[in-house]
Parts: sequence; structure tokens; C-alpha cells
Amino acid sequence: KAGVTQTPRYLIKTRGQQVTLSCSPISGHRSVSWYQQTPGQGLQFLFEYFSETQRNKGNFPGRFSGRQFSNSRSEMNVSTLELGDSALYLCASSPDGQRNTEAFFGQGTRLTVV
Amino acid sequence: GESVGLHLPTLSVQEGDNSIINCAYSNSASDYFIWYKQESGKGPQFIIDIRSNMDKRQGQRVTVLLNKTVKHLSLQIAATQPGDSAVYFCAESSIQGAQKLVFGQGTRLTINP
Repeated sequence: KAGVTQTPRYLIKTRGQQVTLSCSPISGHRSVSWYQQTPGQGLQFLFEYFSETQRNKGNFPGRFSGRQFSNSRSEMNVSTLELGDSALYLCASSPDGQRNTEAFFGQGTRLTVV
Repeated sequence: GESVGLHLPTLSVQEGDNSIINCAYSNSASDYFIWYKQESGKGPQFIIDIRSNMDKRQGQRVTVLLNKTVKHLSLQIAATQPGDSAVYFCAESSIQGAQKLVFGQGTRLTINP
């Protein structure tokens, strides 16, 4: 069974640009969560999608957005990139979206904003 | 506010010894806890989880202990091996959070030969 797949693995963008990251969850998983990982702030929750609906949202500005498709694949978008958006963006999938189930992470997308 | 913290940022142990990684949490509503291992260049890897109705749970070479009275969580790794070198994170979630995980800052575990 394939794991969580994130594309691309690496990205370099310029300040002010926008970026879209993609996540394919484990087959059969319906919940997809996104996290930002930085050396200073650690792992921080961005948002969670379940059945194409955003169910939870972290404390990030509106420049960070996401969506989920009917096949559970998810994308996140960051507009008007800032230097501080440089981070490892991780996607996690869970089987059925209920609480108290383990989340499996992908390898992440390393975004560098210059 | 919510926070999950680790007592020690780094831990160095001899190969073959047991390792204990600690974690403190502040959200009394947390009812589910997970330990993750993250190796360089990789995403976090699920190790073991525990629900708030349990005090202890064992896996292969790993044991998680939960003390709800003092809001403390620990991960014990038996017979530590070089492949255990990584950063270990504890994470918690609550009923309101669903799949929202709150992570600790992580502990780097290094193994001395």
C-alpha cells in the first residue's frame, strides 16, 4: 500500500509569488491535514480537510488556503509569499477522520522563498 | 493555551542502553497522544500512541507511559540501536481538535557506539 505522497519535494519561489503544493493520501484515507515545520516554531497545524470540507484550521493568515478533491487528494496554496514562509510543509492522512486515530505523514515539500 | 513541551532538547545514550524521552502537556482536555520519530530529510514516522484511559502501552522495543495527574508523557526505547538516532516528537489531540495535532518541540536522540 503506497504511503502519503507529496509533490513537489523541493520548491524555490520569489517573494510575492504564490505556490501550490499537492498531497495524495493513503488509499482509503479521507482526512488530510497540513503542517508547517520550521526550526524556530516546530511543527504547526495549518488545516484539516475531510470529505472535501475544511474541518479544522490553525492560526495562520488567510494567505494559506487549501482544498480537497473528491478522491481525497488535497492541495494547499500560499499566496503573496514571504521569506518567513520558507519551511517544510507536511501532509498527513488518517483513515476516517474521526479523532484519536494515528496520522501518517508524507516526506514533505521543502519550500524556500528568496 | 495549548502547549506540548519536552524537558530535554537533546539526549545522548550508549548503544544497547535504554532511552527515555519525556514530554509535558498543558491541555487537560487532551485525550490522545502520539509519539513520532523524524529522521533527517523525512516526514514524521508514527511510533506508538496511547489514549487517556490508559497508563501504559507497549510496542516493539518501545513503551509509552502516560501520567494524567501531572500531565506527563514518556517514551522508553529498549536496547537503543544506531537506527534509533532521530528527533522524537510527542503530539496530542483533544475531542475538539479531531485530527489537529499539537506537537512538542522535539528531542534529538543520538546513539554513542
